[in-house]
Amino acid sequence: RKEVEQDPGPFNVPEGATVAFNCTYSNSASQSFFWYRQDCRKEPKLLMSVYSSGNEDGRFTAQLNRASQYISLLIRDSKLSDSATYLCAVIPGATNKLIFGTGTLLAVQP
Amino acid sequence: DAGITQSPRHKVTETGTPVTLRCHQTENHRYMYWYRQDPGHGLRLIHYSYGVKDTDKGEVSDGYSVSRSKTEDFLLTLESATSSQTSVYFCAINGDRSGNTIYFGEGSWLTVV
Repeated sequence: RKEVEQDPGPFNVPEGATVAFNCTYSNSASQSFFWYRQDCRKEPKLLMSVYSSGNEDGRFTAQLNRASQYISLLIRDSKLSDSATYLCAVIPGATNKLIFGTGTLLAVQP
Repeated sequence: DAGITQSPRHKVTETGTPVTLRCHQTENHRYMYWYRQDPGHGLRLIHYSYGVKDTDKGEVSDGYSVSRSKTEDFLLTLESATSSQTSVYFCAINGDRSGNTIYFGEGSWLTVV
């Protein structure tokens, strides 16, 4: 089983839609969780960290469910500019490794 | 932008030749990582470093070696390049264990023919 798994998509949604991505992780001792955004042929950039209590940044909300070992990203009121690949990442256990999911492609349609 | 640069940015090489990719940072960050990214596989960790001369293997380390003789440089070497190593390689730096200060370089596109 992969350490971090994501639905690769693509997710095709209309502008203004709400879309949610989930990501599961296998190491129950994982402590740090992140969502990254990656545009075509560009490097990944940190979108937001995911905290136990959940956190929100404008239209973006990230949540962590430790019992079920998954993290989620909710994007409200999708914009064309949100079109990108969204990658979840986890630091498993007490390591310093950052392990990524395969990424989910989001295409927001006009 | 974080001070992280990769070189070369693009390279075409022949099967069997050695290749070294360089990651240079000006942030004095302790942790450095090398990833490769391929369609359908996402970002996969090759090797990482947690200090000068301290390195460890990642998910896909076979065929790769690394060296970190000083804080600012992390080198990735393909001793004998193969076509399966055609990929885009990303370096990342991390300032602390929390992971909240992780930044990526712009990537190195490597083609092995």
